[in-house]
Amino acid sequence: EFLLTQSPATLSLSPGERATLSCRASQSVSSYLAWYQQKPGQAPRLLIYDASNRATGIPGRFSGSGSGTDFTLTISRLEPEDFAVYYCQQRSNWPLFGQGTKLEIK
Amino acid sequence: QVQLVESGGGVVQPGRPLRLSCAASGFTFSSSGMHWVRQAPGKGLEWVAVIWYDGSIKYYADSVKGRFTISRDNSKNTLYLQMNSLRAEDTAVYYCARDSSHYSVAYFDYWGQGTLVTVSS
Repeated sequence: EFLLTQSPATLSLSPGERATLSCRASQSVSSYLAWYQQKPGQAPRLLIYDASNRATGIPGRFSGSGSGTDFTLTISRLEPEDFAVYYCQQRSNWPLFGQGTKLEIK
Repeated sequence: QVQLVESGGGVVQPGRPLRLSCAASGFTFSSSGMHWVRQAPGKGLEWVAVIWYDGSIKYYADSVKGRFTISRDNSKNTLYLQMNSLRAEDTAVYYCARDSSHYSVAYFDYWGQGTLVTVSS
């Protein structure tokens, strides 16, 4: 069974700090991985595609890295509006999402 | 600007059918692959189905295969999801989403606001 595992489940940080979120695939997905942000009551928003490319309109403080099975989403300096749930998604083996990381205010 | 507006959600009894619609505007609908993605209350995202830009190819998640049918009418810029034999576990917000690639399954670059389907007796 193909799995995407995100860690940690919850990340508690303060505005201005650096956030590092992880996504691990059970088998290689090359660079075919995206990151989404979802705020309560809203639809997800595409942040990063193909592991490291920012989607249109996404601020430069968001960056993605990794390939194969290990991927990272980094938010360099947290803004108040960044506190949300983040999902990774692979396209290598039909769309599959990770279970999400909740980024909460400390 | 790209807009996707879902409709058709509501409360339905187990075993009954329901059809969702997604009206698209602001882009060339007939050139875009389209998806349905759902999210159970308090849970994560689950991909449901995809349809190619011309309707020629359709794929489904195992959890809905044989019960749900995705379709589109490019003359009306509308995507559909026919849901039959509904179960309690189908309760979720259903989002339509555009595929970022014209010719394969890739990522979801635009999403609708979602429509809630509740399966309950």
